[in-house]
Amino acid sequence: GAVVSQHPSWVICKSGTSVKIECRSLDFQATTMFWYRQFPKQSLMLMATSNEGSKATYEQGVEKDKFLINHASLTLSTLTVTSAHPEDSSFYICSASYRGVQETQYFGPGTRLLVL
Amino acid sequence: SQQGEEDPQALSIQEGENATMNCSYKTSINNLQWYRQNSGRGLVHLILIRSNEREKHSGRLRVTLDTSKKSSSLLITASRAADTASYFCATDGWDDKIIFGKGTRLHILP
Repeated sequence: GAVVSQHPSWVICKSGTSVKIECRSLDFQATTMFWYRQFPKQSLMLMATSNEGSKATYEQGVEKDKFLINHASLTLSTLTVTSAHPEDSSFYICSASYRGVQETQYFGPGTRLLVL
Repeated sequence: SQQGEEDPQALSIQEGENATMNCSYKTSINNLQWYRQNSGRGLVHLILIRSNEREKHSGRLRVTLDTSKKSSSLLITASRAADTASYFCATDGWDDKIIFGKGTRLHILP
């Protein structure tokens, strides 16, 4: 089946630094990619929807200048957490959607971010 | 990676009927969640059931959990056209990492 990868799988960084997370669809071209974050023991929260070649659509309350999303190609989307702070520590997961005969969605394994 | 397996993969029912979807998983869990996704949209959280719970209700939704069989079911009663969507189960275990199943595509026929 289709595979979506994320890199890195985990990252520890100092407060104030920026962290880039990649989401790749390995064997299909993703029409749309979604970025979510999850706090421990809570449900996923949609952060933004990203279509290739266009600006991401952010959910209410998500700072677009804080969480930069780039969807440069049909197989790659990146999420950059700028000037990370400890409250940004979370689990970030992407999903890639393929709209063929029927829309199918595949999830990445997630990236755990810890900001010290 | 995807641990859960939903079945059926696709389901078509008449409006007004009940829809049942199942999810099986492989490892021990803390919680199991069900999400809905409409075409082209992000996931919407429906319901969370903890490993020590057996059944939970929310409106027209009923979720059961059988940890001995490592399975869960989502029942949507009195289905509506707006229920047409993909439904995913997700589990999280000792490391709090959330893992999704492959989803069930539900189509409500008018």
